[in-house]
Amino acid sequence: GNSVTQMEGPVTLSEEAFLTINCTYTATGYPSLFWYVQYPGEGLQLLLKATKADDKGSNKGFEATYRKETTSFHLEKGSVQVSDSAVYFCALRNAGNNRKLIWGLGTSLAVNP
Amino acid sequence: DAGVTQSPTHLIKTRGQQVTLRCSPKSGHDTVSWYQQALGQGPQFIFQYYEEEERQRGNFPDRFSGHQFPNYSSELNVNALLLGDSALYLCASSSQGVNEQYFGPGTRLTVT
Repeated sequence: GNSVTQMEGPVTLSEEAFLTINCTYTATGYPSLFWYVQYPGEGLQLLLKATKADDKGSNKGFEATYRKETTSFHLEKGSVQVSDSAVYFCALRNAGNNRKLIWGLGTSLAVNP
Repeated sequence: DAGVTQSPTHLIKTRGQQVTLRCSPKSGHDTVSWYQQALGQGPQFIFQYYEEEERQRGNFPDRFSGHQFPNYSSELNVNALLLGDSALYLCASSSQGVNEQYFGPGTRLTVT
């Protein structure tokens, strides 16, 4: 079946450090891939997405590239800020008329000043 | 343009009671999905509504039911509440043929 695996947290970084959160997936066909962010006490917000192989999603300094050969969609940011502290979720949705998202367990990020 | 709204924000119920959560989708969206997010976990898909019908369902018992109204808003009903139903319930809206889902802030349900 379809699944998403994320690196376990928590991840603790100093401000301006480089961030990578790994995400790999298992899916049939050509899924769309997403990163969502959940700030403390809030709901989920779409951070970025990619819908086909080699697409790069980017937003707010975050980037992720859809790598079909390695079935990965790792999240990166060159210089994190304290305000980036949140839980990050990787998710996929298969092609077709199917709106169900399959989620990873989430990776908690804490950025210290 | 209002995004996805959910009510109430917080709710406390006792075991065995019933609860109804509400969701209004983002303007222009016709599909509503409901998710349960336990503390420290990722969201789990409950079901999805489109054209006032349940189109897909996750691995949740029949105690979980829903409804979609002609204006696309939706309700999630949970009967015979258990302690394990305590979670953040998230509503997401989307439009058929469009990839993205937009989430509401969630309803925090506590069952005591």
